[in-house]
Amino acid sequence: DAKTTQPPSMDCAEGRAANLPCNHSTISGNEYVYWYRQIHSQGPQYIIHGLKNNETNEMASLIITEDRKSSTLILPHATLRDTAVYYCIVGGSGYALNFGKGTSLLVTP
Amino acid sequence: GAVVSQHPSRVICKSGTSVKIECRSLDFQATTMFWYRQFPKQSLMLMATSNEGSKATYEQGVEKDKFLINHASLTLSTLTVTSAHPEDSSFYICSAGTSGGLNEQFFGPGTRLTVL
Repeated sequence: DAKTTQPPSMDCAEGRAANLPCNHSTISGNEYVYWYRQIHSQGPQYIIHGLKNNETNEMASLIITEDRKSSTLILPHATLRDTAVYYCIVGGSGYALNFGKGTSLLVTP
Repeated sequence: GAVVSQHPSRVICKSGTSVKIECRSLDFQATTMFWYRQFPKQSLMLMATSNEGSKATYEQGVEKDKFLINHASLTLSTLTVTSAHPEDSSFYICSAGTSGGLNEQFFGPGTRLTVL
């Protein structure tokens, strides 16, 4: 079973920030938090990952709580092309990723 | 990010035939490749882990004699679905990672297999 809990679906207006939460209360000290997304009928796309510190790249920001039991993926200005299923995954580097059900994000005009 | 390709992107075959799917890491050397499959409206399920030059490790419930995996080089892994049946119809996706440097895995675009 996946070690993360995510809401099944979320809506976001185009141009607004999309904040996707994830609970991972059983994360161990050497496990990373990874975020991927999957657009229909495509392979998952890597977004961002982190261990303890908050991370930011050209796609998104990742905010990890101090106790590391939860995190939030932030898409600062959502576009229609950001509509996808977003997966929050915890795991060790180099190991297979255990995909849960993810959050289906719908960005609306 | 790093690029992983899969070929073919889509295949339709008759029941009983074998189908080979290739997964290539185009701009990095992948010491480990993973094979997943995804049925409609479901999440990705890991099938096997493939390390270059050694036998693949299969997940429980995945038949190793039916899903043959070869990882002969650091840039290529193949999955052969032998004697395919309609229940094998699925979306097959590979991912590649490295043992050092990159922490993230990169996924191929997937192969849609339809067995008639």
